[in-house]
Amino acid sequence: DIQMTQAPSSLPASLGDRVTITCRASQDIGNYLRWFQQKPGKSPRLMIYGATNLAAGVPSRFSGSRSGSDYSLTISSLESEDMADYYCLQSKESPDTFGAGTKLELK
Amino acid sequence: QVQLKESGPGLVQPSQTLSLTCTVSGFSLTSYNVHWVRQPTGKGLEWMGVIWTGGSTDYNSALKSRLSISRDTSKSQVFLKMNSLQTEDIATYYCARDLGLWGQGVMVTVSS
Repeated sequence: DIQMTQAPSSLPASLGDRVTITCRASQDIGNYLRWFQQKPGKSPRLMIYGATNLAAGVPSRFSGSRSGSDYSLTISSLESEDMADYYCLQSKESPDTFGAGTKLELK
Repeated sequence: QVQLKESGPGLVQPSQTLSLTCTVSGFSLTSYNVHWVRQPTGKGLEWMGVIWTGGSTDYNSALKSRLSISRDTSKSQVFLKMNSLQTEDIATYYCARDLGLWGQGVMVTVSS
């Protein structure tokens, strides 16, 4: 199975900060990478698909990028509503696999 | 209205079988894939499996031996069955259309 190594596990940040979360794939996944946001008690929400494409309704301060086997989710200017858990997911090869998650919290 | 809704017993006895239903509306199961994902309380997401538009399935390697996903397209329902339940299976279970639209989830506890 493809392993997704996500870092950091916890990210304290201040409002207005630029923050980046990264996932590294254990083998080639092309652009078959999605990012999800999950708030407490809520279902996950798709934020990015195809590594770089913004899902419908997602604010433009969110972006996704790829460098080789490293995939990043960046929030350009952190807002209070962005405090949540974030997960990457590869779907290049079954079984799909999630990263372990990143808890984004206020510093 | 396009939505998915999970249902099933909230409590299952150890070693018994979990049976969940995902009822969808607003779209056809022959046009969209439906995934199952679970999340133990306070932990991360785990992909369980998928039923593709054509009816074939794929499963998480770790769960494959005790997991089954099926559907009834006429009723717009997808079914998850997992046997030999243990406390490690305590989680919220979600179904999701192509992982882009999610149900609200259903909490499952394993206890005698």
